[in-house]
Amino acid sequence: DARVTQTPRHKVTEMGQEVTMRCQPILGHNTVFWYRQTMMQGLELLAYFRNRAPLDDSGMPKDRFSAEMPDATLATLKIQPSEPRDSAVYFCASGLVTAPAYEQYFGPGTRLTVT
Amino acid sequence: AQTVTQSQPEMSVQEAETVTLSCTYDTSESDYYLFWYKQPPSRQMILVIRQEAYKQQNATENRFSVNFQKAAKSFSLKISDSQLGDAAMYFCAYRSPLSGGGADGLTFGKGTHLIIQP
Repeated sequence: DARVTQTPRHKVTEMGQEVTMRCQPILGHNTVFWYRQTMMQGLELLAYFRNRAPLDDSGMPKDRFSAEMPDATLATLKIQPSEPRDSAVYFCASGLVTAPAYEQYFGPGTRLTVT
Repeated sequence: AQTVTQSQPEMSVQEAETVTLSCTYDTSESDYYLFWYKQPPSRQMILVIRQEAYKQQNATENRFSVNFQKAAKSFSLKISDSQLGDAAMYFCAYRSPLSGGGADGLTFGKGTHLIIQP
């Protein structure tokens, strides 16, 4: 049963610290997304990659957030320095573009708390 | 930019009854894709059903069906024979047609919390 995995599942950190979240997409999927979920803003797209190339990161605060895909099996989202307003659940999703209505499979999320 | 609106923050239905969740969207595109996702307390996002805008026939998946009204920009989800396991947040989502520039990201509504009364 192929799944998107995310680590860590929970992270509590102090303001100013660096946070790195990792995602392993489903093997063979060529598109990877990062979303953020908060009570106030709901679910928002932060960035996404196709074949490891960044296609859109317009939803991401550029000064503190960075997203990369070092290889096809790993996507990372870093926040440096972290702030309390970054507290949220961060979801990774992956998909294989075989048809226009292709499905995005979501990971379980990383719940980040910045104090 | 596209927007998705779910006007019902919370809905309640008796077990075995039918419930309809509303979703409207705003777009200037003629071709696009619509989705309903379910998020139970576990936080896992699960695809319930999808609809291609060019298809006139409403999508169905077992007890789940949609009423897609393209002219009205409406995309409601009907759950028949509601079960306790259907209790969750339900999110309506929009996606633009694929293009070389990339528009694959989903735009979500704020969600509807569905309560199933036993």
